[in-house]
Amino acid sequence: KQEVTQIPAALSVPEGENLVLNCSFTDSAIYNLQWFRQDPGKGLTSLLLIQSSQREQTSGRLNASLDKSSGRSTLYIAASQPGDSATYLCAVINQGGKLIFGQGTELSVKP
Amino acid sequence: EAQVTQNPRYLITVTGKKLTVTCSQNMNHEYMSWYRQDPGLGLRQIYYSMNVEVTDKGDVPEGYKVSRKEKRNFPLILESPSPNQTSLYFCASSPPGDRGTYEQYFGPGTRLTVT
Repeated sequence: KQEVTQIPAALSVPEGENLVLNCSFTDSAIYNLQWFRQDPGKGLTSLLLIQSSQREQTSGRLNASLDKSSGRSTLYIAASQPGDSATYLCAVINQGGKLIFGQGTELSVKP
Repeated sequence: EAQVTQNPRYLITVTGKKLTVTCSQNMNHEYMSWYRQDPGLGLRQIYYSMNVEVTDKGDVPEGYKVSRKEKRNFPLILESPSPNQTSLYFCASSPPGDRGTYEQYFGPGTRLTVT
C-alpha cells in the first residue's frame, strides 16, 4: 500500500532563507507527483506537477525534483518570504487515478 | 472562469439525516474525486471517477455514495451521516492520465458538522 511521508512536519525560518521540503513515497509505480499549498481554512492551490518521466519542474522561486527510484521528491523555495507561510502538501497518483497525500509541512517564514 | 464549485460551503446537520454535497466543474474534465481532510489524518481520498458512469473507491469510502451521471457533476451522498463524518470535504477534477496529467484542480471545500 502506498504511503507518503513529509518531513519535517513543521518548519520555521527567517525571511530570505532558501529551504527544502521533503516528500517520500513507498511505491515507485507512480504516474505523477503534485505539490500543493494550503492556507489555513482554505482550499488547495496547485504549485507544481511532475510527471513520472520528468526529473524536475520550476515555477518562479519554486523548484520541485523527483527521483522515482529512491521514492523521493523535494520542493525547493528560494529567498523565502512571509507570504510563503502555509502548509505544503505533496500527493502521488497512480495510473488508475488513485491519489495519496502526505501529511504536509507547515511552513512559517518570519519577517 | 475555469473552476470547481461545491455547495454548500458550510453545513451543520444531525445524525441520520441524508444529505448531498454537490460538485461541479466547467473544464470538461473526465476525472473527478472527493477527499476529506481531518486534523492529524491529512487528506484522504473517498471516491473517484474516471468518467461518466465509472466510479471507484478511494481509501475511506465507508458511509459515502457517489454518482457520475454527467461529466460536469459528481455529488457526494451521505445516506445516514454520523458524527465521525464531521470533516472538511474537497472535490477535485482533472484531465485523465491518457490525455493529460491527472493534475488536480480543487474546489473551495465544504465544512460539514454532524451533531
